[in-house]
Amino acid sequence: TQLLEQSPQFLSIQEGENLTVYCNSSSVFSSLQWYRQEPGEGPVLLVTVVTGGEVKKLKRLTFQFGDARKDSSLHITAAQPGDTGLYLCAGATGGSYIPTFGRGTSLIVHP
Amino acid sequence: DAGITQSPRHKVTETGTPVTLRCHQTENHRYMYWYRQDPGHGLRLIHYSYGVKDTDKGEVSDGYSVSRSKTEDFLLTLESATSSQTSVYFCAISGGGFSSGNTIYFGEGSWLTVV
Repeated sequence: TQLLEQSPQFLSIQEGENLTVYCNSSSVFSSLQWYRQEPGEGPVLLVTVVTGGEVKKLKRLTFQFGDARKDSSLHITAAQPGDTGLYLCAGATGGSYIPTFGRGTSLIVHP
Repeated sequence: DAGITQSPRHKVTETGTPVTLRCHQTENHRYMYWYRQDPGHGLRLIHYSYGVKDTDKGEVSDGYSVSRSKTEDFLLTLESATSSQTSVYFCAISGGGFSSGNTIYFGEGSWLTVV
């Protein structure tokens, strides 16, 4: 059973389009992180959200943590080819220091 | 970039042979993790360590063992490699508990092929 469900699994869009990636769970998370992974490399942290309802922006990326801390979303405005990669969400419950990762959303942005 | 070095980066080995992957960190972080990443499964935790000689199993630990004799080194051993262990292996480190919002830093990965 996957603790964190990410959707969609794959996304292929044209440059300039907007998109949203979702990370959902039936569990409450004390914190949730989003990572981006490029081919041949390890995941790199984009953002950490810890407060229910929290919204964080990173240039054209907007991250939101659900009020109940069970879900999160990543919205990209005016996607660019450089946004291409695998987007992963990871969360931990309670006081755990062991994160669980979603299976990822593979994004391709065509020029 | 976090100071994490994985070795070897690429390896091809035969079924039944032992394999050891090494993770070396220069950040003096307490927590170290070994993950494997496979299509359709995402990142799955194999083993982790919360201090020198303190290790525990993750969700896919069968067929793997680990050792941590120094803060900076975390070794992953496949005692007798099988084709199902063909994968990309990532080492990760963290200075504190994930639930506290501490960042996990990943190495660049080790590509292992078992033939």
